[in-house]
Amino acid sequence: SQQGEEDPQALSIQEGENATMNCSYKTSINNLQWYRQNSGRGLVHLILIRSNEREKHSGRLRVTLDTSKKSSSLLITASRAADTASYFCATDTGLGGANNLFFGTGTRLTVIP
Amino acid sequence: DGGITQSPKYLFRKEGQNVTLSCEQNLNHDAMYWYRQDPGQGLRLIYYSQIVNDFQKGDIAEGYSVSREKKESFPLTVTSAQKNPTAFYLCASSRGLAGPYNEQFFGPGTRLTVL
Repeated sequence: SQQGEEDPQALSIQEGENATMNCSYKTSINNLQWYRQNSGRGLVHLILIRSNEREKHSGRLRVTLDTSKKSSSLLITASRAADTASYFCATDTGLGGANNLFFGTGTRLTVIP
Repeated sequence: DGGITQSPKYLFRKEGQNVTLSCEQNLNHDAMYWYRQDPGQGLRLIYYSQIVNDFQKGDIAEGYSVSREKKESFPLTVTSAQKNPTAFYLCASSRGLAGPYNEQFFGPGTRLTVL
């Protein structure tokens, strides 16, 4: 499968703490994207990092990419209860049709107020 | 308001019936996608379309059919041939250009339950 895998599957932290989620994938990529899903809702795009980038920031989000290890991490700093959601990584491998993404199984984050 | 909509939000089907899930977007996107999500799982691609009047099978197309007669619309039919259709179905769209512009925009989803 070309699907990525997130680690851990579930994460529970106190409000104000940082949350780190990891994603590993199997094939070379054009870019890697992180999405958020609130329970029972659609996914929302958070951030995209290209294969030639190593780190990217967006507000409280920091994403790193290590193509040699085929892995990425998403760091959410100073977490809030509203950050409670599932987080998915998705890889654009250029395989299949253009723009096709391969999604991981997700990390379920719970932020305790 | 630009966006992507799905209807209905909840759908119940008796075994042996076909049902059609609606997906509409007003983002002027060329590409549209249908995914299936099972509890605790990631998204699996059912069908995708890169342009009007063209669509391709994804990883789990058996028991499903689609059409793309208009740029804005990409309905999914779940046929009686789909053995285990109970799931959460998500529609998405993207600009359709390869490279750094392939962020996907998702609809709110349709939860299908077979009775």
